[in-house]
Amino acid sequence: NAGVTQTPKFRVLKTGQSMTLLCAQDMNHEYMYWYRQDPGMGLRLIHYSVGEGTTAKGEVPDGYNVSRLKKQNFLLGLESAAPSQTSVYFCASSHTKPRKINQPQHFGDGTRLSIL
Amino acid sequence: KQEVTQIPAALSVPEGENLVLNCSFTDSAIYNLQWFRQDPGKGLTSLLLIQSSQREQTSGRLNASLDKSSGRSTLYIAASQPGDSATYLCAVSSGAGSYQLTFGKGTKLSVIP
Repeated sequence: NAGVTQTPKFRVLKTGQSMTLLCAQDMNHEYMYWYRQDPGMGLRLIHYSVGEGTTAKGEVPDGYNVSRLKKQNFLLGLESAAPSQTSVYFCASSHTKPRKINQPQHFGDGTRLSIL
Repeated sequence: KQEVTQIPAALSVPEGENLVLNCSFTDSAIYNLQWFRQDPGKGLTSLLLIQSSQREQTSGRLNASLDKSSGRSTLYIAASQPGDSATYLCAVSSGAGSYQLTFGKGTKLSVIP
């Protein structure tokens, strides 16, 4: 009964380093999302995917890339980390679009990323 | 651009009290509204989802109402318990494509034993 699993849970990077955050869901959901949560800003959508092999930009996509090679996995990449990317990153998944009846998004526990 | 506001930012109540959390949004053309709970260091748990055509949803001690025309929603918690202590987030789905949820900044609730 794992739901949405994010790895790693914590990471500290130096400016300019690269890394990939992994999100895995075992609910056979079509839609997957990456958000960042910052103090005083609320959650903001970075990128999302409506199915295997597809990705699209959200509200704050700059500095990030994503890939959805397998339906159950959604990867978020930082090619050259910047201090402004220090945040808590959440992955979520859902069966359909948010507007569909009774289809809430399911969230992972987050990845806490610090860029020095 | 849709904006979601939650008032108050923090609330402290004694155990057993009934309470109301407020959420307002600027664009009434929404598809649905969700209330989430977030515990410290954890992700979000969906509590209630109200479709735009609905007026309210209930789950146990929780009742969420929606007044789309006035851009408001309330989350009512009956007989509060210390285990209800968490941050409560409101989010609306709106706009073309509706993939993006717009979140409020949350209300941090503390229920004092």
